[in-house]
Amino acid sequence: AQKVTQAQTEISVVEKEDVTLDCVYETRDTTYYLFWYKQPPSGELVFLIRRNSFDEQNEISGRYSWNFQKSTSSFNFTITASQVVDSAVYFCALKILMDSNYQLIWGAGTKLIIKP
Amino acid sequence: SAVISQKPSRDICQRGTSLTIQCQVDSQVTMMFWYRQQPGQSLTLIATANQGSEATYESGFVIDKFPISRPNLTFSTLTVSNMSPEDSSIYLCSVQWGQLLSGANVLTFGAGSRLTVL
Repeated sequence: AQKVTQAQTEISVVEKEDVTLDCVYETRDTTYYLFWYKQPPSGELVFLIRRNSFDEQNEISGRYSWNFQKSTSSFNFTITASQVVDSAVYFCALKILMDSNYQLIWGAGTKLIIKP
Repeated sequence: SAVISQKPSRDICQRGTSLTIQCQVDSQVTMMFWYRQQPGQSLTLIATANQGSEATYESGFVIDKFPISRPNLTFSTLTVSNMSPEDSSIYLCSVQWGQLLSGANVLTFGAGSRLTVL
């Protein structure tokens, strides 16, 4: 089965704390892509990062970092020194090839609340 | 990446009526996607709209309920027909960066249309 699990429904932290959002995926495919999107209260989803299954390098972009581990089928997202503007719903997604078309499988999302 | 304008941004509708949502893209794109996001839920793909052909609907969605038009490469509409309170959702239009069918393509989204059906 192809599936994305974001077990944390909601996380609340105080500003400046570090926070990690978990994403666990399931697929039998050897070629796939993983994504993170951010949905702020305004509603528009914003792309954050993409990883393909052959690139296990972790990535850092400012206060954001991503840890991709195929051994545990996880693609976790860490925000360092969180800020109120980081408050949003974060979605992890898996893209696989099914019946000659790419399918995007979304996680349920994690609502992140950063308190001042 | 493309810039997507979606309207209305929100609306309150009466049961039994229909509402058409418009999606305008600032560049030509082959495929446009319509998603539904029910309150507090994840995204569900309604259909894929290609210019010049009928939209392809996902399981659980039918053309009579969600007719889609795609008259050109920069514009699409989604109509939510005969609405009921269960249709209260955010409806999102999205496009892929680039024209090639690649798993690496990233989606760009409009700001969404938040519909409340009374």
